[in-house]
Amino acid sequence: GNSVTQMEGPVTLSEEAFLTINCTYTATGYPSLFWYVQYPGEGLQLLLKATKADDKGSNKGFEATYRKETTSFHLEKGSVQVSDSAVYFCALSVKGGGATNKLIFGTGTLLAVQP
Amino acid sequence: GAGVSQTPSNKVTEKGKYVELRCDPISGHTALYWYRQSLGQGPEFLIYFQGTGAADDSGLPNDRFFAVRPEGSVSTLKIQRTERGDSAVYLCASSLTGTSYEQYFGPGTRLTVT
Repeated sequence: GNSVTQMEGPVTLSEEAFLTINCTYTATGYPSLFWYVQYPGEGLQLLLKATKADDKGSNKGFEATYRKETTSFHLEKGSVQVSDSAVYFCALSVKGGGATNKLIFGTGTLLAVQP
Repeated sequence: GAGVSQTPSNKVTEKGKYVELRCDPISGHTALYWYRQSLGQGPEFLIYFQGTGAADDSGLPNDRFFAVRPEGSVSTLKIQRTERGDSAVYLCASSLTGTSYEQYFGPGTRLTVT
């Protein structure tokens, strides 16, 4: 079946530190991969996506590269800010017979950035 | 413009009661999804509508759960004979079409079954 595994949190970093949140997946077919972010008190927002192998998604200084050979989509940022504190979810979608883009999420990783 | 809205934001109900949760998607979005998020977990897919029809209901946990979207816009998730295990945040998302990658999520309805 299809599933996503991401590193458990919380991840606590100082401002300007380097961030990596690991994400690996299992999928039948050719999934699209996503990172969603949930800021405190807000709804889920799409952070970045990659729709085929070797694609790199990027947004707001965050990056993730779709690695088919290692079935991974690790999230990175070179210098985190306090405002990046949030819960980050890795997710995948695989086109089904009904053309659904339903998302399968990991359990989420809480990032806390300290000034 | 307006995003996805969900009402109520919080619902407390007694075990065995019936509840309805409402989702108002972004205007013009034909695809609508319901997810359920339990504490400490990622959202889990429940059902997907393309227009008025449920194109994929494979995530509904049992026949106590039902959802409708009669006019292809607002959707209602209905839960009969609620159980304590149904307590969770119910999320709704919409996208422009069923093949669009970006889903826009609402703030969710927190359901507590006592």
